[in-house]
Amino acid sequence: EAGVTQFPSHSVIEKGQTVTLRCDPISGHDNLYWYRRVMGKEIKFLLHFVKESKQDESGMPNNRFLAERTGGTYSTLKVQPAELEDSGVYFCASSRLSWGEQYFGPGTRLTVT
Amino acid sequence: AQSVTQPDIHITVSEGASLELRCNYSYGATPYLFWYVQSPGQGLQLLLKYFSGDTLVQGIKGFEAEFKRSQSSFNLRKPSVHWSDAAEYFCAVGAPSGTYKYIFGTGTRLKVLA
Repeated sequence: EAGVTQFPSHSVIEKGQTVTLRCDPISGHDNLYWYRRVMGKEIKFLLHFVKESKQDESGMPNNRFLAERTGGTYSTLKVQPAELEDSGVYFCASSRLSWGEQYFGPGTRLTVT
Repeated sequence: AQSVTQPDIHITVSEGASLELRCNYSYGATPYLFWYVQSPGQGLQLLLKYFSGDTLVQGIKGFEAEFKRSQSSFNLRKPSVHWSDAAEYFCAVGAPSGTYKYIFGTGTRLKVLA
């Protein structure tokens, strides 16, 4: 069984540009989560999808962040326009059950210069 | 407010020595508890989890953790550390209902001396 995959592994963009991160969950996992780790800080929750619906988006920092999960399969997280403080590692996770253990991807390291 | 504290940012141990990584949480009820490990260049890998039942939980790679309700702790232990255990370790709590997001500690970076 393939694990959670994320693309790209690393992205370097300039302030004001747009970046789109992609996450492919484990097949059959209806639940998909996005988290972010800013350097030196804890990993923080961004949002939770159940299939294509946003179950909880309480962690989204502001309206420059847009997450989608069309068709309930893969998800994208777009940052537009990117700011310096958006730099960090963005993790995606998936789970079969809402309360079940979450399986994490390798993360996308975003650097905004 | 819900929170997880990992008081040790860095820990250094010699190979073959025992290890204990501390984790304390603040939560309204008994949460689900997890330990994850992130090796260099890798994603987060689940070491072990506690949902209910026996408070001593066995995980992969020879790790175990003990849930102590009275101390709100879920410390991770390993009797003999291997050089390949050098990594960053994260404690996390999750809710059994309602919001299912995990709350993470800041992580403990483990260095193993040969």
